[in-house]
Amino acid sequence: DTGVSQDPRHKITKRGQNVTFRCDPISEHNRLYWYRQTLGQGPEFLTYFQNEAQLEKSRLLSNRFSAERPKGSFSTLEIQRTEQGDSAMYLCASSLEAAYNSPLHFGNGTRLTVT
Amino acid sequence: DQQVKQNSPSLSVQEGRISILNCDYTNSMFDYFLWYKKYPAEGPTFLISISSIKDKNEDGRFTVFLNKSAKHLSLHIVPSQPGDSAVYFCAARDSGGSYIPTFGRGTSLIVHP
Repeated sequence: DTGVSQDPRHKITKRGQNVTFRCDPISEHNRLYWYRQTLGQGPEFLTYFQNEAQLEKSRLLSNRFSAERPKGSFSTLEIQRTEQGDSAMYLCASSLEAAYNSPLHFGNGTRLTVT
Repeated sequence: DQQVKQNSPSLSVQEGRISILNCDYTNSMFDYFLWYKKYPAEGPTFLISISSIKDKNEDGRFTVFLNKSAKHLSLHIVPSQPGDSAVYFCAARDSGGSYIPTFGRGTSLIVHP
């Protein structure tokens, strides 16, 4: 069990720059989720995929954010024109399709700092 | 509008005693509840869950209790160990919806040796 892998672990960028994060889910999991966590808060849902289809997006996901999962395997999350308010931990998780008792398995996250 | 609330930001317990972490929810459509544990610099790790058709689920030292009428659940850790020191998140989801869990803000548990 290789678990959910996220890259990079840390990213420091200047305001206005674009950043891209990658997530590799557990291989047999066909659902993939992106969450964001800020200090003192729990993970907040951003978007999720079932296979390659992006099925739901949170209203937190502004039009500067875009996520893809082109072949139903790994996923990328891109933030364009970063703002200081984007500084957070970005968490990826995966699970089996709609299995009632299937919990989400999280990666260790990508910590973004926008200066 | 927080649908899952963990009103205690922190809890301090002596090793060997019981830790009780509480969680309240407002959405009556939630029917599956999960607890996650998070260590610093790591992602949340699934701990234990409970379906709304049950009122108790036990796994070793960890027991989750669900009171549907009060929209309240709790996680009991007995006996508490220093390695249990972490942030605990309560999460809930609506299985008739999109299966996307909604998380609380977490409770930081410190277990003193």
